[in-house]
Amino acid sequence: AQSVTQPDIHITVSEGASLELRCNYSYGATPYLFWYVQSPGQGLQLLLKYFSGDTLVQGIKGFEAEFKRSQSSFNLRKPSVHWSDAAEYFCAVGRNSGYALNFGKGTSLLVTP
Amino acid sequence: DGGITQSPKYLFRKEGQNVTLSCEQNLNHDAMYWYRQDPGQGLRLIYYSQIVNDFQKGDIAEGYSVSREKKESFPLTVTSAQKNPTAFYLCASEGRANSGELFFGEGSRLTVL
Repeated sequence: AQSVTQPDIHITVSEGASLELRCNYSYGATPYLFWYVQSPGQGLQLLLKYFSGDTLVQGIKGFEAEFKRSQSSFNLRKPSVHWSDAAEYFCAVGRNSGYALNFGKGTSLLVTP
Repeated sequence: DGGITQSPKYLFRKEGQNVTLSCEQNLNHDAMYWYRQDPGQGLRLIYYSQIVNDFQKGDIAEGYSVSREKKESFPLTVTSAQKNPTAFYLCASEGRANSGELFFGEGSRLTVL
């Protein structure tokens, strides 16, 4: 079954520093990949998605992600982190059936002054 | 404004009681989903519905039930058969069929006393 692994449970970065959150997927064919963000006590919001084509995808809030088939990865990046980026980030992969998504366990981002 | 509305936001239940969580959307989306979120576990799929009067079990459907009598509504009942119901429950709808672009409500936190 398709799955994603987020190796980092917690990440701490200083405000203004760059950010990279890791996501590895397990899927034979080209997967549909997503990054979602969740603020405390809230629902999730879609940051960006990859279906096919250009392997570098741009999302909202200045985020981008790069699909690397050779590494089975879809890492999320941001050049300069703002305090408001502190949240939980989830990588997700589309299922074979085309319905619903499989989510990773999330990475909690803390931003320090 | 269009969106997903979940209620109640917080709910307390005694063991042995059933409880129903409401999910309403005015986005005119066909597909709707229920996920359960536990700390460190990510999101796990409970039930989903692609169209009115039809729904399918997800990965952890035991102890839960749903109905989809109207396009706008997808209530989730947590029954007394659910062994560990204390969790954060998230409802979502899908913008385009099989797109993976989910719109989430703000969630309902259920605590069993």
